[in-house]
Amino acid sequence: GESVGLHLPTLSVQEGDNSIINCAYSNSASDYFIWYKQESGKGPQFIIDIRSNMDKRQGQRVTVLLNKTVKHLSLQIAATQPGDSAVYFCAEGSWGKLQFGAGTQVVVTP
Amino acid sequence: DARVTQTPRHKVTEMGQEVTMRCQPILGHNTVFWYRQTMMQGLELLAYFRNRAPLDDSGMPKDRFSAEMPDATLATLKIQPSEPRDSAVYFCASGLVAVDGSYNEQFFGPGTRLTVL
Repeated sequence: GESVGLHLPTLSVQEGDNSIINCAYSNSASDYFIWYKQESGKGPQFIIDIRSNMDKRQGQRVTVLLNKTVKHLSLQIAATQPGDSAVYFCAEGSWGKLQFGAGTQVVVTP
Repeated sequence: DARVTQTPRHKVTEMGQEVTMRCQPILGHNTVFWYRQTMMQGLELLAYFRNRAPLDDSGMPKDRFSAEMPDATLATLKIQPSEPRDSAVYFCASGLVAVDGSYNEQFFGPGTRLTVL
């Protein structure tokens, strides 16, 4: 039978290229935003966060951009590696409570 | 290496049976969350606690689900009676939230994969 479920957007990236994952959030009152990475069979793992009073934050190989005007968040991964293959979730939060987006599947090809 | 632990990692049970999932949050964290992840709904917040007090369980079916924190080192999620539609991966996460609302990241456990036949 046909499997019904969330159809995650998929981003196919060649190894070594840069990846950009986008996310639209809903609550303009959210205080902070977080990107999580989830590998198959594991729990979500924190990648990077950004407070609502910032528009850019950089980590190791990752950069998060926040555009509050259009309620848009993006995650840039530099020099994508095979180990970056996973589902990436954005989450918006306040007072410790998070609301997660649907996720984007990233597939890194050799 | 502090981490959130969850037991059991896998559970297969029959419809109507009681299921209890356990979580040990990271020592010192004051906020504990229960999430459910399915292909249909994605990652949903079921309930969360701060300093062991339930703050929000609006995401949880009240008639069959219950969440408790008997002490600071143990959080439980119970389903009674279980139904096939409860089949999912259940994640526990813990974090530290300050009185002004500033926070540290949520750390997720490995999850409990529940199958209800």
